[in-house]
Amino acid sequence: GQGVEQPDNLMSVEGTFARVNCTYSTSGFNGLSWYQQREGHAPVFLSYVVLDGLKDSGHFSTFLSRSNGYSYLLLTELQIKDSASYLCAVREPNYNVLYFGSGTKLTVEP
Amino acid sequence: NAGVIQTPRHKVTGKGQEATLWCEPISGHSAVFWYRQTIVQGLEFLTYFRNQAPIDDSGMPKERFSAQMPNQSHSTLKIQSTQPQDSAVYLCASSLDSGTGGYEQYFGPGTRLTVL
Repeated sequence: GQGVEQPDNLMSVEGTFARVNCTYSTSGFNGLSWYQQREGHAPVFLSYVVLDGLKDSGHFSTFLSRSNGYSYLLLTELQIKDSASYLCAVREPNYNVLYFGSGTKLTVEP
Repeated sequence: NAGVIQTPRHKVTGKGQEATLWCEPISGHSAVFWYRQTIVQGLEFLTYFRNQAPIDDSGMPKERFSAQMPNQSHSTLKIQSTQPQDSAVYLCASSLDSGTGGYEQYFGPGTRLTVL
């Protein structure tokens, strides 16, 4: 199976940045995805990374280090509406099933 | 594109009753996934179909849960003899052929099951 770990909560300030961490220990790896989930809504896809390094997608950037089993989602120029849960998911190699972390609840304060 | 459709949005059952949840994947998507989400356990994989064939049901509780995909336009998740611990939001997701990429899964709004 896949052990995917995320901190439960993160707080930051509007206009600054937030880094959501994710660590994983896997029996196989075929990429890592990030999803945003607002209260009472379904997860929405943000990013997928499979190679090491930083993938800059503007407001959201993602970093992956496969040797360390580590990824982060970086949100810049935070807005209040970025307050949500952010879920990290490791993609299993054989059938591409996603194994999710418990999610990090990000609160952006004024 | 209506996205992934799930019905009902909310379902309340008594302990021991049966619950059937429905999912209509996005047209053209060949992979369908079922997940369960609770505050305690988070989002857990249950089962996966590819081109209507069951591929992996390793996350399914074997005794009371079953899933089917009789045609490409819908899948069902059936829970027999529901128990309070089955209370959760059941999420269905679909994607393009996961064998050739299809890394982005599109989730439906979920069915909130409450077992009294």
